[in-house]
Amino acid sequence: DIQMTQSPSSLSASVGDRVTITCRASQSISIYLNWYQQKPGKAPKLLMYVASSLQSGVPSRFSGSGSGTDFTLTISSLQPEDFATYYCQQSYSTPITFGQGTRLEIK
Amino acid sequence: QVQLQESGPGLVKSSETLSLTCTVSGGSISSYYWSWIRQPPGKGLEWIGSIYYNGVTNYIPSLKSRVSISLDTSKNQFSLNLKSVTAADTAVYHCARHRGTSSSQFYFDSWGQGSLVTVSS
Repeated sequence: DIQMTQSPSSLSASVGDRVTITCRASQSISIYLNWYQQKPGKAPKLLMYVASSLQSGVPSRFSGSGSGTDFTLTISSLQPEDFATYYCQQSYSTPITFGQGTRLEIK
Repeated sequence: QVQLQESGPGLVKSSETLSLTCTVSGGSISSYYWSWIRQPPGKGLEWIGSIYYNGVTNYIPSLKSRVSISLDTSKNQFSLNLKSVTAADTAVYHCARHRGTSSSQFYFDSWGQGSLVTVSS
């Protein structure tokens, strides 16, 4: 199985900050990396797919990059509604696996 | 806009079978792939398996001996059965949609809100 490791596990930031979350795969997954946002008690929401494609309806302050084993999700200017937990997910091969999550909290 | 809704018992006894159903509305179940994903309380996400409308399934190896996913196109529903459950199977179970099983398509663009299933001893 491909192991996905996110860093940091938690992060405190302020509204307006630029934030970057990293996801590392245990082997190369090309560009097949997807990002989700999850708020407490809610279902995850797809943000980005195949590393850098923005899902319809997701604000352009979200961006993704990377290939191979190292990927990043960047939020250019944090908004109050962005405080949530973020997960990466590899779709290179089954079994599909997720990172452990990065909790983004208000400073 | 497609909507997914999980339903089933919230409490299952240890060693028994967990059964959940996902009802799809606002779209046909025959056009996409469908998965179950679970999340133990306070923990991360684990993909369980997927099914296509033709009945082809794909399961995570660690659960393959205990899990089955089936589909009822007439009701626009798909279901999860997980047998011989233990406390480790306590989780929120989500159903989700994806466009395919190729690398470029195996991401989940619609999710159900989730159903908490607690396994009791």
